[in-house]
Amino acid sequence: GDSVTQMEGPVTLSEEAFLTINCTYTATGYPSLFWYVQYPGEGLQLLLKATKADDKGSNKGFEATYRKETTSFHLEKGSVQVSDSAVYFCALTRSGTYKYIFGTGTRLKVLA
Amino acid sequence: EAGVAQSPRYKIIEKRQSVAFWCNPISGHATLYWYQQILGQGPKLLIQFQNNGVVDDSQLPKDRFSAERLKGVDSTLKIQPAKLEDSAVYLCASSHAQDGYTFGSGTRLTVV
Repeated sequence: GDSVTQMEGPVTLSEEAFLTINCTYTATGYPSLFWYVQYPGEGLQLLLKATKADDKGSNKGFEATYRKETTSFHLEKGSVQVSDSAVYFCALTRSGTYKYIFGTGTRLKVLA
Repeated sequence: EAGVAQSPRYKIIEKRQSVAFWCNPISGHATLYWYQQILGQGPKLLIQFQNNGVVDDSQLPKDRFSAERLKGVDSTLKIQPAKLEDSAVYLCASSHAQDGYTFGSGTRLTVV
């Protein structure tokens, strides 16, 4: 079945460091790919998405590129801030469905 | 616009007791979802409604979980009787067409 695999956390970085959170997926066909962020005590918020191969999603300085050849959707940010501390979830939906499949989440801690 | 409202925010019950959660989706959103997010895991879809009809409840433990959306707006999710392994955050989300989900802040259930 479809699945999403994320790197385990926590990831601890100093402010202004470069961030990469790895995400790979298994799915038939052409899924849409998403990154969601969950701040402490809050619900999930859509961070960015990509709906086809080679698409790049971006938002708030975060980027991820849909790589079909490596079945990956790694999240990157050039310079993290303390306010980026949160749990990040990679997810997919199969074409024609609304059913999300989430990864296990990666906790990011950014130290001042 | 108002977000997805959920209540209560927190609930602690003893095993074998019953509990109910409430969700009010964004106005006009026909599709409503309930997810279970166990600590350290990604959210897992329990049930999806389209208006007041069930679209997908394949992962709902029907021996103890039930959900309804009688008028196609608000929804309730019930657990009876609760087990220790039901401790989780229960997230409600709603969507319209394919403009993305909006998640509520969730209800954190602790079963002792």
